[in-house]
Amino acid sequence: EIVMTQSPATLSVSPGERATLSCRASQSVSSNLAWYQQKPGQAPGLLIYGASTRATGIPARFSGSGSGTEFTLTISSLQSEDFAVYYCQQYNNWPPLTFGGGTKVEIK
Amino acid sequence: EVQLVESGGGVVRPGGSLRLSCSASGFTFDDYGMSWVRQPPGKRLEWVSGINWNGGSTGYADSVKGRFTISRDNAKNSLYLQMNSLRAEDTALYHCAKNRGIAAAGYFDYWGQGTLVTVSS
Repeated sequence: EIVMTQSPATLSVSPGERATLSCRASQSVSSNLAWYQQKPGQAPGLLIYGASTRATGIPARFSGSGSGTEFTLTISSLQSEDFAVYYCQQYNNWPPLTFGGGTKVEIK
Repeated sequence: EVQLVESGGGVVRPGGSLRLSCSASGFTFDDYGMSWVRQPPGKRLEWVSGINWNGGSTGYADSVKGRFTISRDNAKNSLYLQMNSLRAEDTALYHCAKNRGIAAAGYFDYWGQGTLVTVSS
């Protein structure tokens, strides 16, 4: 099983600032990595797939990078609606598909 | 508009069974694989099971293998999860999710709101 580790667990950021979230895989997942955003009481929503491709309708302030075992989600200028929990997920090896533990982005 | 609506959750005793359903609309159901993903209260997302477009390929997490069965009825645009021998650790919000392609695995471009399963004596 590929273990996905996200850091930090919580990120305190002021609106307008840049946020950088990390995701590490226990073995290479190539570029088969997705990022999701989850707000309280809501289902997760797809942000990024293929490590760096934005899903339909996702603003350009969200960007993904990385390959192999190290990945980054960057939010260039945080808006109020971006405060949420972010999960990474690998889909290179299955079963199982695996998610990271999440990074909560909170208002500083 | 893609909609995924889960049902069938509830409170069940350890060792009991439940059948979850997911009704899909807004897309051509039999063009896509589908999955179940659960989230225990306050914990991370956990993939449970996936099925390809025609039901010919399925996969399960080790934690549910042999106890849960995923299936689909393309004529009814519906996905199912039969859960037997339920344990306390199966307590979670169960989401139905649409896979991006036809395969049983991949990433998920649409999710339902979930149905809550509570296993408790």
